[in-house]
Amino acid sequence: GQQVMQIPQYQHVQEGEDFTTYCNSSTTLSNIQWYKQRPGGHPVFLIQLVKSGEVKKQKRLTFQFGEAKKNSSLHITATQTTDVGTYFCAGSFGNEKLTFGTGTRLTIIP
Amino acid sequence: ETGVTQTPRHLVMGMTNKKSLKCEQHLGHNAMYWYKQSAKKPLELMFVYNFKEQTENNSVPSRFSPECPNSSHLFLHLHTLQPEDSALYLCASSPQANEKLFFGSGTQLSVL
Repeated sequence: GQQVMQIPQYQHVQEGEDFTTYCNSSTTLSNIQWYKQRPGGHPVFLIQLVKSGEVKKQKRLTFQFGEAKKNSSLHITATQTTDVGTYFCAGSFGNEKLTFGTGTRLTIIP
Repeated sequence: ETGVTQTPRHLVMGMTNKKSLKCEQHLGHNAMYWYKQSAKKPLELMFVYNFKEQTENNSVPSRFSPECPNSSHLFLHLHTLQPEDSALYLCASSPQANEKLFFGSGTQLSVL
């Protein structure tokens, strides 16, 4: 089946540093969604990207969808302790079900 | 509160037990899902119901049996589970299939 690869698996950053997680697919995606799961919590939808080259911002979070619609990134500027959690991308191939990446677990060193 | 309620939050069961997980959504969504989340694995889709009809069964063993009596309720019936089935089971709903997902808090299942 279709796969979505996500890197890195873990990221430890000092508070105030930036953070980026990447998703890649070998085939073109229809759209990509991003979710955040706090420790002990459940995934919460952050955003959906649909258009080639699309860039969306939510405060300190910047989401990008590649021109070829095969990759995406989530960048957090000046991380805060509230950013701790696991960030998942989920890609859709045509009308097929969402395929989740393995997630990037972000920990913040105060 | 996401509008998707799962019970119980925690469940410990022996391999010979029969139990059921319950999910209820108050969002008026048409699609409901069961996902399995294990350590170091991506979220695994188990079942999809769209307008109460099962549209996806992702090669899930028959010891897991879903039931969707109406568009607001979803059950996962469990019987003769294995220790490797221990995981967080998440229910989700979406307005239409493959749109953004609203997850419940999950049931943390331990099989002894």
